[in-house]
Amino acid sequence: GAVVSQHPSWVICKSGTSVKIECRSLDFQATTMFWYRQFPKQSLMLMATSNEGSKATYEQGVEKDKFLINHASLTLSTLTVTSAHPEDSSFYICSARSPSRPNEQFFGPGTRLTVL
Amino acid sequence: AQKVTQAQTEISVVEKEDVTLDCVYETRDTTYYLFWYKQPPSGELVFLIRRNSFDEQNEISGRYSWNFQKSTSSFNFTITASQVVDSAVYFCALSEGGGSEKLVFGKGMKLTVNP
Repeated sequence: GAVVSQHPSWVICKSGTSVKIECRSLDFQATTMFWYRQFPKQSLMLMATSNEGSKATYEQGVEKDKFLINHASLTLSTLTVTSAHPEDSSFYICSARSPSRPNEQFFGPGTRLTVL
Repeated sequence: AQKVTQAQTEISVVEKEDVTLDCVYETRDTTYYLFWYKQPPSGELVFLIRRNSFDEQNEISGRYSWNFQKSTSSFNFTITASQVVDSAVYFCALSEGGGSEKLVFGKGMKLTVNP
């Protein structure tokens, strides 16, 4: 149980385009989802916390207008990178938390974004 | 503010050697959770352990063992008789507020186990 999927697993796009990444909890309802970014050979940095039905809370230094997060249902959160630039190229990982297991985060497999 | 320090950035060992990965944390909360994750080259995070601040018992799971010492704010991870499949980046992480809050990760330690 507690499986989280991400789609796509990798994406290559041109500079200036927008990219949407989906995060789904497959076998549980996730009231909270988290989005992390990991640059090559670096650690995971939290970008934002997404609660179902409310606006996401962004970490300091993360542009909310550039990284749009929508947590429309208890099983789906989306991250849209708007007007992507090469410096947005990174590994994006989501995690989800279940109300029944509040002390754990279940991680998705990640999405590798390359902006040309 | 919470902080996790993994002083070692990279370790290389030969198969069957034991290796210890250090983790030191900072927090003002009395209730917190500590985690270790493994990230193989594929990128997916693999959960290894979660320990809450009230449980200082050391834990052993197969070749893995963890030593939690509140007195030194450390949560070290030891792999006994390392294998090539243990090669990965290992992250230590901390969450405050009873574990329901965000995770703060250390910088990670890359372990290479050579045959």
